[in-house]
Formats: sequence, C-alpha cells, structure tokens
Amino acid sequence: GAGVSQSPSNKVTEKGKDVELRCDPISGHTALYWYRQSLGQGLEFLIYFQGNSAPDKSGLPSDRFSAERTGGSVSTLTIQRTQQEDSAVYLCASSLALGPQRRELFFGEGSRLTVL
Amino acid sequence: SQQGEEDPQALSIQEGENATMNCSYKTSINNLQWYRQNSGRGLVHLILIRSNEREKHSGRLRVTLDTSKKSSSLLITASRAADTASYFCARGIQGAQKLVFGQGTRLTINP
Repeated sequence: GAGVSQSPSNKVTEKGKDVELRCDPISGHTALYWYRQSLGQGLEFLIYFQGNSAPDKSGLPSDRFSAERTGGSVSTLTIQRTQQEDSAVYLCASSLALGPQRRELFFGEGSRLTVL
Repeated sequence: SQQGEEDPQALSIQEGENATMNCSYKTSINNLQWYRQNSGRGLVHLILIRSNEREKHSGRLRVTLDTSKKSSSLLITASRAADTASYFCARGIQGAQKLVFGQGTRLTINP
C-alpha cells in the first residue's frame, strides 16, 4: 500500500479481554515501531523491530503486552487482560533505515483503544 | 527522563504571524526531527536536522539546532489556518534505535 495501514481504527473492549492491533508497514521498510499516545500527551515508545526481531522492547509497560512481526512485514501488538489504563491511541510507524538516525518515520493513523 | 521539554505547551496566534516552538533535551543526539499531528490523525514528518547542522529550511519552516544548549526551535513563517496542529520534536538518541518524542506544542492559528 501507499502508506502504513493500521487496524482496527477503533476498538472498544471490556476490562479483562484480550485485544490484537495490526500494523501493515510500507513495503520494503525494514524497521517498524509501536508507540502509544494517551489523550493530549506525547508519544510513548513501546517496541522496535528490525526485520522480524525486536532488539528493543524496553517500552512495553508490562508482560500483558507483546508484539510480533512476521515475514519482515505485518506486525501485531497484543494486549492481554486489558485494563482501563491501557486506553490510548496505539501508533505504528515504519522506516527504511536500520533506525531513525538517518531517516524519518512514516506513521499510520493509529488504533484508538477504549477499555471500559 | 530522556524526553526533555517542549515549550510552549500551547500557542495561539493570528494568521500571518510567525510561530516559534522550542524543544530542549538532555542526552546526546544523532539528529532531531520535527513532526506534525492533526487532531485524531497520525504524525507527519516535517524536517530532520543532523547534530552537525545548525539551521535547516523547508518552505515556510526553519529549524535551528544548538547542541551546546541542547535545544532546537521550529519557526513557521506567515502562518495559515491550516497550520493548526500539534507539533512534536523527536530525538534520535545516540546508541538507540528509537525516536524519543516530547509532549508537543498545540498550535492554533486564528483566521
């Protein structure tokens, strides 16, 4: 596709349920990032993929959060046993280079998660 | 915290005026980038300035970087109503492969 695609765009779930958020990066982009943005706040780094491996997962808030990437392309962020504080917009971004040292990130429109 | 500060948190000006937003940081960087976010949308890259550069221009945008003061500024000249958005600076941290974003400046251009 022309840009980074995320789905679903909106997700409302009940506390305790599991959710999966999907990111389809720009074709050929080897680096993929997940960020979280709470209402009116900045972006909080969650995890970075280079190909299918995740050299930096330091931002994952707890062991309820996990992510994988397959085929060097699509990535899935999974949140188990969701809590109300997980409510946020989850943003995915991809980049051509190994990291953001030389190139910009291209962001998707985000998945807005609301936990009731 | 690696995030540093952006100021002001909010800025409201009249169309045609210039808007200046500032970003300070704490750790050594490889580059600094500015992004724009319209309400409810993803972020769009505006400009990247490397640590060995002091100033960069792109259209109505001018970015400066002062590594001795660990600060950067984004100037938007001749602002338009369509410039209304949140603006974020993001630091490429040495030794890391992630961008660290600030809290952003909410810019409102009044027609």
